[in-house]
Amino acid sequence: GDSVTQTEGLVTVTEGLPVKLNCTYQTTYLTIAFFWYVQYLNEAPQVLLKSSTDNKRTEHQGFHATLHKSSSSFHLQKSSAQLSDSALYYCALRYYNVLYFGSGTKLTVEP
Amino acid sequence: DAGVTQTPRHEVAEKGQTIILKCEPVSGHNDLFWYRQTKIQGLELLSYFRSKSLMEDGGAFKDRFKAEMLNSSFSTLKIQPTEPKDSAVYLCASSLELGAYEQYFGPGTRLTVL
Repeated sequence: GDSVTQTEGLVTVTEGLPVKLNCTYQTTYLTIAFFWYVQYLNEAPQVLLKSSTDNKRTEHQGFHATLHKSSSSFHLQKSSAQLSDSALYYCALRYYNVLYFGSGTKLTVEP
Repeated sequence: DAGVTQTPRHEVAEKGQTIILKCEPVSGHNDLFWYRQTKIQGLELLSYFRSKSLMEDGGAFKDRFKAEMLNSSFSTLKIQPTEPKDSAVYLCASSLELGAYEQYFGPGTRLTVL
């Protein structure tokens, strides 16, 4: 079956510094797409990034991620974290229209 | 276009009660999903409908959880009987049927079982 691993439950970073949230996956099937969802406090999860192309960088709102099928990874990065980036981040893969989510990483950006 | 709507936003139930949560997907979306969200488990899939047909029914949740899609624009999730461990946020999401389409989530219902 499919599974997604986010190794860090909590990440704290100082404003202005780079941040990286790890995401690796395991799948035995053809997977359609990979996503990063962000959930701000008391809000619904929403898509931040998505990709289905190997080795192609995708960017949105200052964040970027590159799908690397050779290493089964889809890490999320930002060069300069902002206070407003504090949120819960989920990595997910989509197979036959079902999303398989990682356990989530709570990002806290401190002044 | 209206997004996914869920009612109620908050629900408090006594142990053993029956509760029904409601969801209206984005107009035109064929796929509808119910998730449970907790701090420990994260997002867990409860049910998945495609064009009103049940495609996946989360095995661990079969006993007391029943999702139905009454028509293409309305779904319910019944929990019967409720237990304190069911306290969580229940999210509904919808998407288009095929391709790399994203799921759009509703605001969720926060359930507290006493």
